Amino acid sequence: EAGVAQSPRYKIIEKRQSVAFWCNPISGHATLYWYQQILGQGPKLLIQFQNNGVVDDSQLPKDRFSAERLKGVDSTLKIQPAKLEDSAVYLCASSSDREGREQYFGPGTRLTVT
Amino acid sequence: AQSVTQLDSHVSVSEGTPVLLRCNYSSSYSPSLFWYVQHPNKGLQLLLKYTSAATLVKGINGFEAEFKKSETSFHLTKPSAHMSDAAEYFCVVSAYSGGYQKVTFGIGTKLQVIP
Repeated sequence: EAGVAQSPRYKIIEKRQSVAFWCNPISGHATLYWYQQILGQGPKLLIQFQNNGVVDDSQLPKDRFSAERLKGVDSTLKIQPAKLEDSAVYLCASSSDREGREQYFGPGTRLTVT
Repeated sequence: AQSVTQLDSHVSVSEGTPVLLRCNYSSSYSPSLFWYVQHPNKGLQLLLKYTSAATLVKGINGFEAEFKKSETSFHLTKPSAHMSDAAEYFCVVSAYSGGYQKVTFGIGTKLQVIP
């Protein structure tokens, strides 16, 4: 079974530029998560999709971050405009919809904002 | 409300000695509990999980954890530390609430193994 795919793996941009990350979850997984992990901290949930609907985006900075999950499969996370404090690893994870199922994580995208 | 508290941000042990990483949780619903490991510059990997079956859960690489409802704890243990265990460990609580699985991460415990 293929794992969670993310691209790009690394991205360096200047502040005020825009950037987009892509995630392809494990086939059949209804739930998809985007996390932000700042160096030395634990993952912080940004947004959670169930199929193609948003179930939790309470910690998403909506003035600059947006995300979508078209057709309940792939997802993109966008930052526009980026700030220095957005430098982090962006993790995508997926899980099946059944209660108690673990999350499977992608390798992450390391974003550096200069 | 749902929360996870990892009681130690850093733990240091000598190689060959036992490991104990502590985790307490709070959940209004019957939770599932997980431990994930993250090696430097690597992705998150599931170590073990508890989902209302046996309270003593065995995971990969010799780790195990015991779910204690009365103490709201899910501590991670290993009898003998290996150098390759040096990593960051995250305790995670998950509960079905409001029609979806709500997941909460702890802040992580960094395990150092001294040769």
